[in-house]
Amino acid sequence: AQSVTQLGSHVSVSEGALVLLRCNYSSSVPPYLFWYVQYPNQGLQLLLKYTTGATLVKGINGFEAEFKKSETSFHLTKPSAHMSDAAEYFCAVSDRRLYGGATNKLIFGTGTLLAVQP
Amino acid sequence: DTAVSQTPKYLVTQMGNDKSIKCEQNLGHDTMYWYKQDSKKFLKITFSYNNKELIINETVPNRFSPKSPDKAHLNLHINSLELGDSAVYFCASSSRLAGNLDTQYFGPGTRLTVL
Repeated sequence: AQSVTQLGSHVSVSEGALVLLRCNYSSSVPPYLFWYVQYPNQGLQLLLKYTTGATLVKGINGFEAEFKKSETSFHLTKPSAHMSDAAEYFCAVSDRRLYGGATNKLIFGTGTLLAVQP
Repeated sequence: DTAVSQTPKYLVTQMGNDKSIKCEQNLGHDTMYWYKQDSKKFLKITFSYNNKELIINETVPNRFSPKSPDKAHLNLHINSLELGDSAVYFCASSSRLAGNLDTQYFGPGTRLTVL
């Protein structure tokens, strides 16, 4: 079964600083990985996803993530934080199975709340 | 031109009541989901329908009964509401036909408060 672990429930950075949000996954099959962002009192918005191909994935709002199979990681980064980036970030893996029975549900991590200080 | 919409946005009710949450998507997707987000922001799937057929039914009380009248709608009815049902419920959709089943698009959520 797939699972996701997000290290750090709260991350605080200064405006203009590097953002690094950590996500490690566990999967018995090649994983499909996602990052979603949730702004206060809103739904989830897809930031980026990795399915196959290039391991460095670029998303919206200047975010990117790199799939590292050897480290079972899919960390989210942004070179320069902006006040508008303050939100909850969720890493997720899709429930995939190579030989059928996949439900395609998303299995979420516990989330990381990003605070951006002026 | 909202992609995935939910009604109501807020729902406050007494224990023991029966309530429904509605979800509609105009993306042409054939698969819809209900997720529950608890007070600690933890998200977990409860149900999923593909072409009106139930394909995911996680371990939820049978007081919860989803209904999908067509591909664009997935409603959630909850009987005999309990305090522990208080949460934010998110609807999502994706498309199996587009070969993009894994990318799910979420609605704005319904905050259910049971008093």
